[in-house]
Amino acid sequence: EPEVTQTPSHQVTQMGQEVILRCVPISNHLYFYWYRQILGQKVEFLVSFYNNEISEKSEIFDDQFSVERPDGSNFTLKIRSTKLEDSAMYFCASMSGSYSGNTIYFGEGSWLTVV
Amino acid sequence: AQKVTQAQTEISVVEKEDVTLDCVYETRDTTYYLFWYKQPPSGELVFLIRRNSFDEQNEISGRYSWNFQKSTSSFNFTITASQVVDSAVYFCALSEENTGFQKLVFGTGTRLLVSP
Repeated sequence: EPEVTQTPSHQVTQMGQEVILRCVPISNHLYFYWYRQILGQKVEFLVSFYNNEISEKSEIFDDQFSVERPDGSNFTLKIRSTKLEDSAMYFCASMSGSYSGNTIYFGEGSWLTVV
Repeated sequence: AQKVTQAQTEISVVEKEDVTLDCVYETRDTTYYLFWYKQPPSGELVFLIRRNSFDEQNEISGRYSWNFQKSTSSFNFTITASQVVDSAVYFCALSEENTGFQKLVFGTGTRLLVSP
């Protein structure tokens, strides 16, 4: 069964460093997302991306964050200057967008630890 | 106000017991989708079910069943004859037409512990 894949599964970085989290969405999907889950808390929406642009973003997704789809398969989340509070599990997700396909499928997550 | 409320923070059961996880949602849209996801200890989010607002038929899939009641804005999840492998955090989530179904709003999750 097709799945969303994410790399790395775990990254430790120093505060102030740039981090790029990578994702390969399901191949025929058109909508892409990043969500975040701080340890022990609920999953929170960060950003949605469609047709090569951001369609919606949350208040969490400030200027430190950016997303990109550099080629036909990858979808990346960049955090420019990481803060301690950016430590979380980051989930990439995708959705086909067809009428009957409004299910968002998640990857296995990238656990980011900022020290 | 929370759009998705999972009032049960943690539930502990013994294997083979039935357990129901509650989910109450709030929306002004007439068209919306409700979801359940499972998050096992390994951390991934596993899709379990999607329900649209026009389909109130209950659904059964093996030991899992879901009870959608628009009158009470609830979408409860029952596991019959629970097993240790069911131990996980379960999240209920909502996507609404006003966001083009682009955004999932999650509840705070219910941790289910099934002991042998």
